[in-house]
Amino acid sequence: AAGVIQSPRHLIKEKRETATLKCYPIPRHDTVYWYQQGPGQDPQFLISFYEKMQSDKGSIPDRFSAQQFSDYHSELNMSSLELGDSALYFCASSLTTDTQYFGPGTRLTVL
Amino acid sequence: AQSVTQPDIHITVSEGASLELRCNYSYGATPYLFWYVQSPGQGLQLLLKYFSGDTLVQGIKGFEAEFKRSQSSFNLRKPSVHWSDAAEYFCAVGAMNTGFQKLVFGTGTRLLVSP
Repeated sequence: AAGVIQSPRHLIKEKRETATLKCYPIPRHDTVYWYQQGPGQDPQFLISFYEKMQSDKGSIPDRFSAQQFSDYHSELNMSSLELGDSALYFCASSLTTDTQYFGPGTRLTVL
Repeated sequence: AQSVTQPDIHITVSEGASLELRCNYSYGATPYLFWYVQSPGQGLQLLLKYFSGDTLVQGIKGFEAEFKRSQSSFNLRKPSVHWSDAAEYFCAVGAMNTGFQKLVFGTGTRLLVSP
């Protein structure tokens, strides 16, 4: 069965640089979620989209923005990167409010 | 606010022994509850979920969990642990807001399996 695809899987950036993470949901899923998991931490909800509109917002820094496109893929844009942004970023998708299925994550390292 | 507590940070179980991982939640309405498993450096795989109905739910890999409303608990169990079960286990509650659901995770329990 098709799963959630995230790219890139690994990303290394310098402080103050910009990063873009991409997420391709399971086919026919209309809702996308982004989570951030710091080292040794539990995943924290950042933001979600339903039918290309933002549906909920968590503890996402103002330096981050995200959107969902007409093909339902989503991108998380992160600017002015800080050391503390180093984390595993997960995307999950669902069919409206049904079960969320997670992608393999993008490991972002900020040097 | 919604919250999930996993009181055990680490648990070590001998291979073949039974397992129970504890999870307590705080949520005002009927919760949607989940268990996910994460191997090192990997994504989160859904083990099982509870939305409504039968309070004993079966999942993949021989896992089961029981929802007990009176105790606000959703403990995960497995009768016989295999070495491949060593991983981090996260309990989560689906928190509805604006009609949509975000997951609130517990801090996780790391399972170690001894020979």
